[in-house]
Amino acid sequence: GENVGLHLPTLSVQEGDNSIINCAYSNSASDYFIWYKQESGKGPQFIIDIRSNMDKRQGQRVTVLLNKTVKHLSLQIAATQPGDSAVYFCAETNAGGTSYGKLTFGQGTILTVHP
Amino acid sequence: DGGITQSPKYLFRKEGQNVTLSCEQNLNHDAMYWYRQDPGQGLRLIYYSQIVNDFQKGDIAEGYSVSREKKESFPLTVTSAQKNPTAFYLCASSISTGNYEQYFGPGTRLTVT
Repeated sequence: GENVGLHLPTLSVQEGDNSIINCAYSNSASDYFIWYKQESGKGPQFIIDIRSNMDKRQGQRVTVLLNKTVKHLSLQIAATQPGDSAVYFCAETNAGGTSYGKLTFGQGTILTVHP
Repeated sequence: DGGITQSPKYLFRKEGQNVTLSCEQNLNHDAMYWYRQDPGQGLRLIYYSQIVNDFQKGDIAEGYSVSREKKESFPLTVTSAQKNPTAFYLCASSISTGNYEQYFGPGTRLTVT
């Protein structure tokens, strides 16, 4: 039957703190990963991506870390602002396979930033 | 402005009726995708299209149909065969299926009663 009553992981931080959002992936063949931000009632927005030949990539106020050994991805947001409050999704794909751009999305984490 | 538009933002239908959700993009992207999102869950792929006049089933295609007659347009029909159609539907596009950065539309919230 349908999965009902699922509760997303949540992270509450104070404005100005650093935030770390984690994601575990299961497909060891995945070699490309994306983080998306989704505000309430809107479509996801691309934040940052990383390929499996890297273990760290930095953007503006964001850093993605990839640990292929334990199949773990994290998104670090520096100096978190109230506008960062949203649901954050990781997505994975096997870019070298036959998935034709098919992304598999994680469940998401709710980030709430308190002023 | 380049982007993806979905209309309407909210849609209400009676059970047993088919309904078509619109998705248009002016990004000149080859690939387009439809996802379903349920409360507290991630996105699940319904259908995707790599080029015009071609599309493939995603993970949850049962009860849905699509067409891709124009590069810019990828409408999704939710048929009466879909057992639980009430959800938030998201359309996305990418330059090609080999380019994995997908751009999303604002979504359509469908409620079937």
